[in-house]
Amino acid sequence: AQKVTQAQTEISVVEKEDVTLDCVYETRDTTYYLFWYKQPPSGELVFLIRRNSFDEQNEISGRYSWNFQKSTSSFNFTITASQVVDSAVYFCALSMTGGSYIPTFGRGTSLIVHP
Amino acid sequence: GAVVSQHPSWVICKSGTSVKIECRSLDFQATTMFWYRQFPKQSLMLMATSNEGSKATYEQGVEKDKFLINHASLTLSTLTVTSAHPEDSSFYICSARDRRVPINSPLHFGNGTRLTVT
Repeated sequence: AQKVTQAQTEISVVEKEDVTLDCVYETRDTTYYLFWYKQPPSGELVFLIRRNSFDEQNEISGRYSWNFQKSTSSFNFTITASQVVDSAVYFCALSMTGGSYIPTFGRGTSLIVHP
Repeated sequence: GAVVSQHPSWVICKSGTSVKIECRSLDFQATTMFWYRQFPKQSLMLMATSNEGSKATYEQGVEKDKFLINHASLTLSTLTVTSAHPEDSSFYICSARDRRVPINSPLHFGNGTRLTVT
């Protein structure tokens, strides 16, 4: 069975603070993909990143960075110098061969960035 | 980029009526579309997988007679909530898999439909 846990329900920060969103996953497959999506108040899901299970290299994209660690089954997401526009719900998701690559989502972390 | 259009964005209906939600892939063909339901402050729960030209596959606990799914073409899937009740009020999101890309590629999501049943 596959499972994604986002233990942080809600995080509140002040603009310019750094913030890390945690994601822990469970799967028995050796080949799998991890995703992060952003859901702003408007409701649509915006794709942010995909990592495959064979690539543990961390990735940085502007103010966003991701730390993938297979040893702890974690795929954490850090926003540096947060901005009000970063306020949204962020979902971590897992897909794998055994699940026909249909993503399983975590419960999401609501990030509120105050000016 | 690939765009998925979902319509309507929001709808209010009375108990006992039926509501149809459309999901269209605008610039790509989607052999498979997925319907999710999201409760407030909750995750996205997969309701069903819709394959073009065949019957939808429903997840455990989802009533197929309640939530009718039709995927008549490679660019359109519809979800009809039949005999709606207040407990059906929720946010429904569709997503589509582009047939041109590998199956493990990210899905494209619609903007969602906020359904309120009074």
